[in-house]
Amino acid sequence: DQQVKQNSPSLSVQEGRISILNCDYTNSMFDYFLWYKKYPAEGPTFLISISSIKDKNEDGRFTVFLNKSAKHLSLHIVPSQPGDSAVYFCAASVLEGSGTYKYIFGTGTRLKVLA
Amino acid sequence: DTAVSQTPKYLVTQMGNDKSIKCEQNLGHDTMYWYKQDSKKFLKIMFSYNNKELIINETVPNRFSPKSPDKAHLNLHINSLELGDSAVYFCASSQGTGGEQYFGPGTRLTVT
Repeated sequence: DQQVKQNSPSLSVQEGRISILNCDYTNSMFDYFLWYKKYPAEGPTFLISISSIKDKNEDGRFTVFLNKSAKHLSLHIVPSQPGDSAVYFCAASVLEGSGTYKYIFGTGTRLKVLA
Repeated sequence: DTAVSQTPKYLVTQMGNDKSIKCEQNLGHDTMYWYKQDSKKFLKIMFSYNNKELIINETVPNRFSPKSPDKAHLNLHINSLELGDSAVYFCASSQGTGGEQYFGPGTRLTVT
């Protein structure tokens, strides 16, 4: 049972336009969400995060939106640049009974920004 | 100056062999993780250590045994390798169990 879903395996966007990557989750206990970016042959790198008490977080060209009622978050990249071409993973964390946070990752969306 | 490093980067071995993957972080973090990314690209937590103590142990065959000699190192030993163990294994670290994790470059394990 995949609790974090990225239903679009790939996305192509023209340079300079907006890229919108989507993520849906099923567990209402998730309280912290992150986006990671991954280049080939490298590990994921942290991009931006949002707490469940917020609905928007912005960092430069990257903005994450959270819609708790819809259990949906999205990552907006404006303007998109060729260097943004990578796989983007959405992740959600939940506090376990042991007092430890556990992260669940989506399967990723491959973004290609066309020059 | 690599923050999280893993060795080896590639590992090709035969079924039934025993192999180890090593991970080191120089970020001063107190929590380290092993993730497995399978052919369907799911990135799943396997183990997590906080201050050298095992805190997350997902449903992983007991052929997999993590070892944390100190807070900066977390190694993964796999006994009796099977074809289904072929995957990319990522090590990661964080300060505390919440917040962002820093990942190593991954180890691609191929079992033939």
